Amino acid sequence: KQEVTQIPAALSVPEGENLVLNCSFTDSAIYNLQWFRQDPGKGLTSLLLIQSSQREQTSGRLNASLDKSSGRSTLYIAASQPGDSATYLCAVRPAGGYNKLIFGAGTRLAVHP
Amino acid sequence: EAGVVQSPRYKIIEKKQPVAFWCNPISGHNTLYWYRQNLGQGPELLIRYENEEAVDDSQLPKDRFSAERLKGVDSTLKIQPAELGDSAVYLCASSLGSGVADTQYFGPGTRLTVL
Repeated sequence: KQEVTQIPAALSVPEGENLVLNCSFTDSAIYNLQWFRQDPGKGLTSLLLIQSSQREQTSGRLNASLDKSSGRSTLYIAASQPGDSATYLCAVRPAGGYNKLIFGAGTRLAVHP
Repeated sequence: EAGVVQSPRYKIIEKKQPVAFWCNPISGHNTLYWYRQNLGQGPELLIRYENEEAVDDSQLPKDRFSAERLKGVDSTLKIQPAELGDSAVYLCASSLGSGVADTQYFGPGTRLTVL
């Protein structure tokens, strides 16, 4: 059974720091891995999607890497800002079958001025 | 383009009462998902629809939960009777289909509190 773990569970940093969020999964048979952002009282917003054949994806100050063989992904946020404060969720789509996402519990990020 | 719409946004009920959540997916999206997100956890899939057909409801507690998607568009998720442990955020998502490239788009969710 696929399990997704995110470390740390919570993180508080001063504005301007570069930071790394970690995601690990137990079964390397995946189609892709996706990073989401969730703001309080709002739904999930997709940030980056990495196909299983890719090593990384970048969008602005965000960079996500994927090492499928070791079951790990990292989300790198450069020059963090207070507006980055949110919960970041990692989800994998298992290979085979339909479009099912298995989520980690998330990392709650607080960036203070 | 309008996103996934859910209502109500918040609901507070007493245990043993019934409750229903409504979802309108993005226009043209054939696949609809209901997830439950407990506090401090990631979303977990409850049921998936392909048009009107529920093709995966293995995680739906069928003794008290029911869902329908009439005409293959909007959907309703019902709990009857609600229990304290049902307090959670119920998220609806939709995608064009179930293919590898089909991205799921999430609604804002309904936060249920059972007293």
